[in-house]
Amino acid sequence: EVQLVESGGGLVQPGGSLRLSCEASGFTFSRYWMHWVRQAPGKGLVWVSHINSDGSTTSYVDSVKGRFTISRDNAKSTVYLQMNSLRAEDAAMHYCVKGGAYSNSQFDYWGQGTLVTVSS
Amino acid sequence: DIQMTQSPSSLSASVGDRVTITCRASQSINNYLNWYQQKPGKAPNLLIYAASSLQSGVPSRFSGSGSGTDFTLTISSLQPEDFATYYCQQTYSTPPTFGQGTKVEIK
Repeated sequence: EVQLVESGGGLVQPGGSLRLSCEASGFTFSRYWMHWVRQAPGKGLVWVSHINSDGSTTSYVDSVKGRFTISRDNAKSTVYLQMNSLRAEDAAMHYCVKGGAYSNSQFDYWGQGTLVTVSS
Repeated sequence: DIQMTQSPSSLSASVGDRVTITCRASQSINNYLNWYQQKPGKAPNLLIYAASSLQSGVPSRFSGSGSGTDFTLTISSLQPEDFATYYCQQTYSTPPTFGQGTKVEIK
């Protein structure tokens, strides 16, 4: 059974940092692209970032470029999202998502999410 | 970035109704179109991928069609557990983008 378990969310002041983690199990982690998708309260889904299977290729939505960094540790089956210079508009549920073998594959498994709150 | 536009934004329907949701892309995305269902307080769940392929475990009352820029999600006979919000998504190019969602409510 595929499982994605996120952690690291919480309350942070504007300008602060958080590191989200997502531990995967139930599939061969090192073979798949991984994504982060977020959803502000009452709003729609927004893709944030992705990383390829060996970590050599990453991409970001424009609103987080230069502030967020995605990475992965295939030995630990874990993907990370380092979030710096957080803004109020970054407040959202952040989901870890399993992709496919290619960047344009569907998002077939989602974690339950970790909530990021940005407030002074 | 490719813009995805869903219609309607919400609809009211009864159990047993046939429901159709449309999704339009701002440029051709071939068949790189996926549909997700999200229930309140839960993570999204993949229903349809590659425009018309049913994800394993998803009931056959869900179907998808279309290619290029225009796509459709159909629920052939709405069930009580289908009341949720539905999102389309293109994965043709980065960034992958979602439609704004269609909320299916009980009439």
